[in-house]
Amino acid sequence: GIQVEQSPPDLILQEGANSTLRCNFSDSVNNLQWFHQNPWGQLINLFYIPSGTKQNGRLSATTVATERYSLLYISSSQTTDSGVYFCAVAPPITGGGNKLTFGTGTQLKVEL
Amino acid sequence: EAQVTQNPRYLITVTGKKLTVTCSQNMNHEYMSWYRQDPGLGLRQIYYSMNVEATDKGDVPEGYKVSRKEKRNFPLILESPSPNQTSLYFCASRDRPTWGAQYFGPGTRLLVL
Repeated sequence: GIQVEQSPPDLILQEGANSTLRCNFSDSVNNLQWFHQNPWGQLINLFYIPSGTKQNGRLSATTVATERYSLLYISSSQTTDSGVYFCAVAPPITGGGNKLTFGTGTQLKVEL
Repeated sequence: EAQVTQNPRYLITVTGKKLTVTCSQNMNHEYMSWYRQDPGLGLRQIYYSMNVEATDKGDVPEGYKVSRKEKRNFPLILESPSPNQTSLYFCASRDRPTWGAQYFGPGTRLLVL
């Protein structure tokens, strides 16, 4: 199956700092999403971005599908950004609903 | 508000006592699925449904059942729970089976004693 690698695995930032999280995947995809899992365990949709660039406030994401990677940018980080960031991908359908495969995540802690 | 809801959010039960976790979505999505999340193992798909009366196994279906009698509901049934089913469970839905953003419910924390 498709492999998803995220880096770095852990990240500690001072409030106000910027960061870039990376997601590499091993095969073609037609679905790529970024999620934030908050300290209460909820999975929050950040971006649906199988290709191209999107921005939402302090967050933005870029996926270069031909090179099989995606980047999530967090600017002016806040303590509420803490949690785990997951990249999840799905290949073009081969039968059965195309399942999202999750990376192992980046654990982010933003300190005052 | 467009959302996926799950109930209960927290549940403590004992081995062998049948339970059902409900899942409902109000977005008229065709595709629904269940995942479990465990430390060190990440999120794994249990079952999925491409539409009403169409369900299929995911990666870890043993010990679980599902049904899809209505488009909006996709309950997860544990006929005889065991301690290894202690986990954080997520229901998810997507507009179409093969593409589009997937939305997750708030999660159900299950402890089986």
